[in-house]
Amino acid sequence: DAKTTQPPSMDCAEGRAANLPCNHSTISGNEYVYWYRQIHSQGPQYIIHGLKNNETNEMASLIITEDRKSSTLILPHATLRDTAVYYCITGGTSYGKLTFGQGTILTVHP
Amino acid sequence: DSGVTQTPKHLITATGQRVTLRCSPRSGDLSVYWYQQSLDQGLQFLIQYYNGEERAKGNILERFSAQQFPDLHSELNLSSLELGDSALYFCASSEPVAGEQFFGPGTRLTVL
Repeated sequence: DAKTTQPPSMDCAEGRAANLPCNHSTISGNEYVYWYRQIHSQGPQYIIHGLKNNETNEMASLIITEDRKSSTLILPHATLRDTAVYYCITGGTSYGKLTFGQGTILTVHP
Repeated sequence: DSGVTQTPKHLITATGQRVTLRCSPRSGDLSVYWYQQSLDQGLQFLIQYYNGEERAKGNILERFSAQQFPDLHSELNLSSLELGDSALYFCASSEPVAGEQFFGPGTRLTVL
């Protein structure tokens, strides 16, 4: 079973920031938080991951709370092409498998 | 483009048949993973290979098997197919000790 909880759906206006929350209250000390997204039946796409520090790359920012029990993925300027299912997953670097939950369906509106 | 390739893109077959799905990982990636995505079960991990050896097993049926060859490509064999096996099958690869996985475009299997 997935060890994360995400809202089933969210909306965002194009050009605005999309903030996607994730709860992972049972995360262990050596587990990372990963974010992937899947655009309409395409293969899931890796977005970002982090351990306890905030992370940023060309796609998004990841904010992890100090107690590591929750995190937020931020898409700074959402576009229509960001409409997708976003998955928050916890695991270790050598863990192997990814356990996908239901994810959050993000819909970006014009 | 993730660098992971999968063939075929679509496969239509009948119940009771056997099919083989093929995956070529990104150059240099030693790990290959197989996932199944069906409408009612979501994305589920099936099996992982690392440098030719089975590393982890998930919800993979006994009718399904996989292998990874010396050139690191992998094949997923599905036999005695049932209607419920209709799904998208994804392959992913990753570096030896890295968390992020890179997914291929998938094979859509339809069992009639």
